[in-house]
Amino acid sequence: GAVVSQHPSWVICKSGTSVKIECRSLDFQATTMFWYRQFPKQSLMLMATSNEGSKATYEQGVEKDKFLINHASLTLSTLTVTSAHPEDSSFYICSARDGPTNTEAFFGQGTRLTVV
Amino acid sequence: DAKTTQPPSMDCAEGRAANLPCNHSTISGNEYVYWYRQIHSQGPQYIIHGLKNNETNEMASLIITEDRKSSTLILPHATLRDTAVYYCIVRANYGQNFVFGPGTRLSVLP
Repeated sequence: GAVVSQHPSWVICKSGTSVKIECRSLDFQATTMFWYRQFPKQSLMLMATSNEGSKATYEQGVEKDKFLINHASLTLSTLTVTSAHPEDSSFYICSARDGPTNTEAFFGQGTRLTVV
Repeated sequence: DAKTTQPPSMDCAEGRAANLPCNHSTISGNEYVYWYRQIHSQGPQYIIHGLKNNETNEMASLIITEDRKSSTLILPHATLRDTAVYYCIVRANYGQNFVFGPGTRLSVLP
Protein backbone atom coordinates (compact mmCIF):
# COMPACT_ATOMS: atom_id res chain seq x y z
CA GLY A 1 0.00 0.00 0.00
CA ALA A 2 0.88 3.65 -0.21
CA VAL A 3 3.14 5.16 2.42
CA VAL A 4 2.27 8.05 4.70
CA SER A 5 5.00 9.34 6.97
CA GLN A 6 4.64 11.48 10.08
CA HIS A 7 7.33 13.45 11.82
CA PRO A 8 8.22 13.51 14.61
CA SER A 9 7.19 10.15 16.06
CA TRP A 10 7.16 11.63 19.52
CA VAL A 11 7.69 15.06 21.02
CA ILE A 12 7.78 16.54 24.51
CA CYS A 13 7.15 20.24 24.89
CA LYS A 14 6.57 22.76 27.63
CA SER A 15 3.17 24.28 28.32
CA GLY A 16 2.56 27.39 26.29
CA THR A 17 4.80 26.46 23.39
CA SER A 18 3.73 25.41 19.91
CA VAL A 19 4.45 22.13 18.21
CA LYS A 20 4.33 21.32 14.51
CA ILE A 21 3.62 17.82 13.21
CA GLU A 22 4.28 16.96 9.57
CA CYS A 23 2.43 14.42 7.47
CA ARG A 24 3.84 13.41 4.11
CA SER A 25 2.57 11.12 1.38
CA LEU A 26 5.73 9.51 0.06
CA ASP A 27 4.64 7.79 -3.13
CA PHE A 28 1.39 9.43 -4.12
CA GLN A 29 -0.26 12.81 -4.26
CA ALA A 30 -2.74 13.35 -1.46
CA THR A 31 -5.59 15.61 -2.44
CA THR A 32 -7.21 15.05 0.95
CA MET A 33 -5.65 14.53 4.34
CA PHE A 34 -7.32 13.83 7.66
CA TRP A 35 -6.04 14.53 11.16
CA TYR A 36 -7.13 12.34 14.06
CA ARG A 37 -6.47 12.41 17.79
CA GLN A 38 -6.45 9.37 20.05
CA PHE A 39 -6.44 9.43 23.84
CA PRO A 40 -5.28 6.38 25.83
CA LYS A 41 -7.61 3.39 25.59
CA GLN A 42 -9.91 5.28 23.25
CA SER A 43 -10.59 5.13 19.54
CA LEU A 44 -9.47 7.62 16.90
CA MET A 45 -11.45 10.84 16.74
CA LEU A 46 -11.42 12.95 13.59
CA MET A 47 -10.22 16.50 14.18
CA ALA A 48 -10.21 18.00 10.71
CA THR A 49 -10.16 17.35 6.99
CA SER A 50 -7.83 19.29 4.74
CA ASN A 51 -7.83 19.60 0.98
CA GLU A 52 -4.79 20.84 -0.85
CA GLY A 53 -4.90 24.58 -1.40
CA SER A 54 -7.99 25.28 0.67
CA LYS A 55 -8.89 25.82 4.31
CA ALA A 56 -9.34 22.83 6.55
CA THR A 57 -12.77 21.74 7.73
CA TYR A 58 -12.81 21.19 11.48
CA GLU A 59 -15.06 18.83 13.42
CA GLN A 60 -17.38 20.22 16.02
CA GLY A 61 -15.58 21.01 19.25
CA VAL A 62 -12.12 21.31 17.67
CA GLU A 63 -10.66 24.81 17.97
CA LYS A 64 -9.33 25.90 14.60
CA ASP A 65 -7.18 28.63 16.13
CA LYS A 66 -5.51 26.14 18.43
CA PHE A 67 -4.97 23.37 15.90
CA LEU A 68 -3.65 25.04 12.78
CA ILE A 69 -3.68 22.90 9.67
CA ASN A 70 -1.83 23.73 6.48
CA HIS A 71 -2.05 21.61 3.33
CA ALA A 72 0.09 23.65 0.99
CA SER A 73 1.18 20.88 -1.35
CA LEU A 74 -0.11 17.55 -2.57
CA THR A 75 2.43 15.68 -0.47
CA LEU A 76 2.55 17.63 2.77
CA SER A 77 0.11 18.66 5.48
CA THR A 78 1.08 20.11 8.83
CA LEU A 79 -0.73 20.30 12.14
CA THR A 80 0.46 22.95 14.59
CA VAL A 81 -0.71 22.72 18.18
CA THR A 82 -0.48 26.28 19.44
CA SER A 83 -0.03 27.26 23.08
CA ALA A 84 -0.03 23.62 24.08
CA HIS A 85 -1.40 22.53 27.46
CA PRO A 86 -1.09 19.18 29.25
CA GLU A 87 -4.63 18.24 28.18
CA ASP A 88 -3.41 18.39 24.56
CA SER A 89 -1.15 15.44 25.27
CA SER A 90 -2.35 12.73 22.94
CA PHE A 91 -1.53 10.51 19.97
CA TYR A 92 -2.02 12.45 16.73
CA ILE A 93 -2.46 10.51 13.49
CA CYS A 94 -2.77 11.71 9.93
CA SER A 95 -4.35 9.92 7.02
CA ALA A 96 -4.17 10.58 3.31
CA ARG A 97 -6.09 9.64 0.20
CA ASP A 98 -4.90 10.09 -3.35
CA GLY A 99 -8.11 11.31 -4.89
CA PRO A 100 -11.88 11.07 -4.71
CA THR A 101 -12.01 7.86 -6.71
CA ASN A 102 -9.60 6.01 -4.47
CA THR A 103 -11.36 4.12 -1.75
CA GLU A 104 -8.92 3.30 1.00
CA ALA A 105 -6.98 5.82 3.04
CA PHE A 106 -3.51 5.27 4.38
CA PHE A 107 -2.38 6.27 7.85
CA GLY A 108 0.83 7.64 9.24
CA GLN A 109 2.56 5.99 12.15
CA GLY A 110 1.32 8.63 14.56
CA THR A 111 2.95 11.29 16.74
CA ARG A 112 2.93 11.00 20.53
CA LEU A 113 2.70 14.51 22.01
CA THR A 114 3.43 15.04 25.68
CA VAL A 115 3.00 18.52 27.12
CA VAL A 116 4.68 19.10 30.47
CA ASP B 1 -21.26 7.98 15.18
CA ALA B 2 -19.84 4.65 14.09
CA LYS B 3 -22.33 2.51 12.17
CA THR B 4 -20.88 -0.81 13.24
CA THR B 5 -21.00 -3.05 16.30
CA GLN B 6 -18.10 -5.29 17.25
CA PRO B 7 -17.31 -7.42 20.31
CA PRO B 8 -14.91 -5.51 22.58
CA SER B 9 -12.38 -8.31 22.81
CA MET B 10 -11.52 -11.79 21.53
CA ASP B 11 -8.81 -14.36 22.10
CA CYS B 12 -7.35 -16.69 19.52
CA ALA B 13 -4.73 -19.42 19.74
CA GLU B 14 -1.63 -18.93 17.66
CA GLY B 15 -1.84 -20.80 14.36
CA ARG B 16 -5.62 -21.00 14.42
CA ALA B 17 -8.01 -18.93 12.35
CA ALA B 18 -9.27 -15.72 13.93
CA ASN B 19 -12.84 -14.84 12.97
CA LEU B 20 -13.80 -11.29 13.86
CA PRO B 21 -17.50 -10.42 13.47
CA CYS B 22 -19.04 -7.05 12.68
CA ASN B 23 -22.67 -5.98 12.56
CA HIS B 24 -23.67 -3.14 10.25
CA SER B 25 -27.43 -3.53 9.99
CA THR B 26 -28.02 0.04 8.75
CA ILE B 27 -25.52 -0.11 5.89
CA SER B 28 -26.57 1.70 2.72
CA GLY B 29 -26.32 0.33 -0.77
CA ASN B 30 -23.35 2.52 -1.69
CA GLU B 31 -21.36 1.87 1.48
CA TYR B 32 -18.34 -0.38 1.58
CA VAL B 33 -17.14 -2.41 4.54
CA TYR B 34 -13.54 -1.66 5.51
CA TRP B 35 -11.26 -3.34 8.01
CA TYR B 36 -8.26 -1.68 9.61
CA ARG B 37 -6.15 -2.75 12.53
CA GLN B 38 -4.04 -0.81 14.99
CA ILE B 39 -1.10 -2.34 16.73
CA HIS B 40 -0.20 -0.63 19.98
CA SER B 41 1.18 2.92 19.53
CA GLN B 42 1.06 2.76 15.74
CA GLY B 43 -1.23 4.20 13.10
CA PRO B 44 -4.06 2.09 11.67
CA GLN B 45 -3.12 -0.39 8.96
CA TYR B 46 -5.45 -1.12 6.05
CA ILE B 47 -6.45 -4.78 5.79
CA ILE B 48 -9.23 -5.26 3.29
CA HIS B 49 -12.53 -3.86 2.05
CA GLY B 50 -15.55 -5.02 0.09
CA LEU B 51 -18.99 -4.07 -1.13
CA LYS B 52 -21.01 -7.27 -1.39
CA ASN B 53 -18.76 -10.01 -2.69
CA ASN B 54 -16.35 -11.90 -0.49
CA GLU B 55 -12.80 -10.64 -0.78
CA THR B 56 -9.41 -12.18 -0.09
CA ASN B 57 -5.91 -10.79 -0.10
CA GLU B 58 -2.56 -11.75 1.36
CA MET B 59 -3.58 -10.59 4.82
CA ALA B 60 -7.14 -11.77 5.30
CA SER B 61 -10.50 -12.77 3.93
CA LEU B 62 -13.69 -10.76 4.22
CA ILE B 63 -17.01 -12.57 4.24
CA ILE B 64 -20.09 -10.36 3.79
CA THR B 65 -23.55 -11.80 4.33
CA GLU B 66 -25.98 -11.72 1.45
CA ASP B 67 -28.13 -9.06 3.12
CA ARG B 68 -24.93 -7.09 3.88
CA LYS B 69 -25.98 -6.54 7.48
CA SER B 70 -22.93 -8.25 8.89
CA SER B 71 -19.46 -9.38 7.94
CA THR B 72 -16.58 -11.45 9.26
CA LEU B 73 -12.88 -10.79 8.92
CA ILE B 74 -10.86 -13.99 8.85
CA LEU B 75 -7.17 -14.19 9.62
CA PRO B 76 -6.47 -17.74 8.47
CA HIS B 77 -3.42 -18.49 10.61
CA ALA B 78 -3.11 -16.00 13.42
CA THR B 79 0.34 -15.15 14.74
CA LEU B 80 1.40 -13.23 17.84
CA ARG B 81 2.03 -10.21 15.58
CA ASP B 82 -1.67 -10.11 14.74
CA THR B 83 -2.46 -8.97 18.29
CA ALA B 84 -4.11 -5.57 17.73
CA VAL B 85 -7.36 -3.63 17.80
CA TYR B 86 -9.41 -4.39 14.69
CA TYR B 87 -11.80 -1.79 13.36
CA CYS B 88 -14.75 -2.48 11.09
CA ILE B 89 -15.90 0.67 9.28
CA VAL B 90 -18.61 1.33 6.74
CA ARG B 91 -18.11 4.20 4.37
CA ALA B 92 -19.43 5.40 1.03
CA ASN B 93 -16.91 5.43 -1.77
CA TYR B 94 -16.71 9.15 -2.37
CA GLY B 95 -15.61 11.96 -0.13
CA GLN B 96 -16.14 10.68 3.39
CA ASN B 97 -13.64 10.20 6.15
CA PHE B 98 -13.33 7.02 8.20
CA VAL B 99 -15.30 6.98 11.46
CA PHE B 100 -13.70 4.67 14.01
CA GLY B 101 -15.69 2.84 16.67
CA PRO B 102 -14.09 1.11 19.66
CA GLY B 103 -13.13 -1.97 17.59
CA THR B 104 -12.28 -5.47 18.78
CA ARG B 105 -9.13 -6.08 20.77
CA LEU B 106 -7.76 -9.38 19.45
CA SER B 107 -5.24 -11.18 21.60
CA VAL B 108 -3.38 -14.03 19.94
CA LEU B 109 -2.19 -16.41 22.61
CA PRO B 110 0.83 -18.72 22.35
